[in-house]
Amino acid sequence: QSVLTQPPSVSAAPGQKVTISCSGSSSNIGNNHVSWYQHLPGTAPKLLISENNKRPSGIPDRFSGSKSGTSATLGITGLQTGDEADYYCGTWDNSLNAHVFGTGTKVAVL
Amino acid sequence: QVTLRESGPALMKPTQTLTLTCSFSGFSLTSTGMCVNWIRQPPGKALEWLAVIDWDDNEFYSPSLRTRLTISKDTSKNQVVLTMTNMDPLDTATYYCARIRGQLDDGFDVWGQGTMVTVSS
Repeated sequence: QSVLTQPPSVSAAPGQKVTISCSGSSSNIGNNHVSWYQHLPGTAPKLLISENNKRPSGIPDRFSGSKSGTSATLGITGLQTGDEADYYCGTWDNSLNAHVFGTGTKVAVL
Repeated sequence: QVTLRESGPALMKPTQTLTLTCSFSGFSLTSTGMCVNWIRQPPGKALEWLAVIDWDDNEFYSPSLRTRLTISKDTSKNQVVLTMTNMDPLDTATYYCARIRGQLDDGFDVWGQGTMVTVSS
């Protein structure tokens, strides 16, 4: 059972923008960095955002991250068909002494 | 180039003990801040973190699976091993190993391709 809550799905037309929320608590998001991952079927998850808003080398600036209090948000602008995937947030939980993932959000490009 | 590769049995029977090996290259698990994690994804379900071992021999486990998991490392072989006892069909999943370079709340920056484990009688 995930302790981070995400919407099950979001969708938009090509070229549009979507945002994915990740809601947690003071024991996880409130006091730790949040990361975001893109997971395409049959492949390994890919790190999109680390430390709330940092993009690793090679990740386009269409992907952005932010954090406020106990929630975090992933934004994807200029939506492309190749962005259709599952997206997960993740962080460390100080009470559980464990890493926690979000429930996952499926992005659909209409 | 940093790479990780999981290996282990593809098919297991209930109650057996699973042993998975993560073989990595391009970094050393003796370097400060380096950690290797195990993560799994059951078919159609979300990612689930299982365990981590770091450069300083600290180990952390998923609270719900703690009693069944053991993580260990062999720095001379660049390997991390995860054992999971008393396997159940609900443990059917793709198992990944992934690296953290830094703090435990930093992202998993490099992942293995994953290995599918099916538990069936």
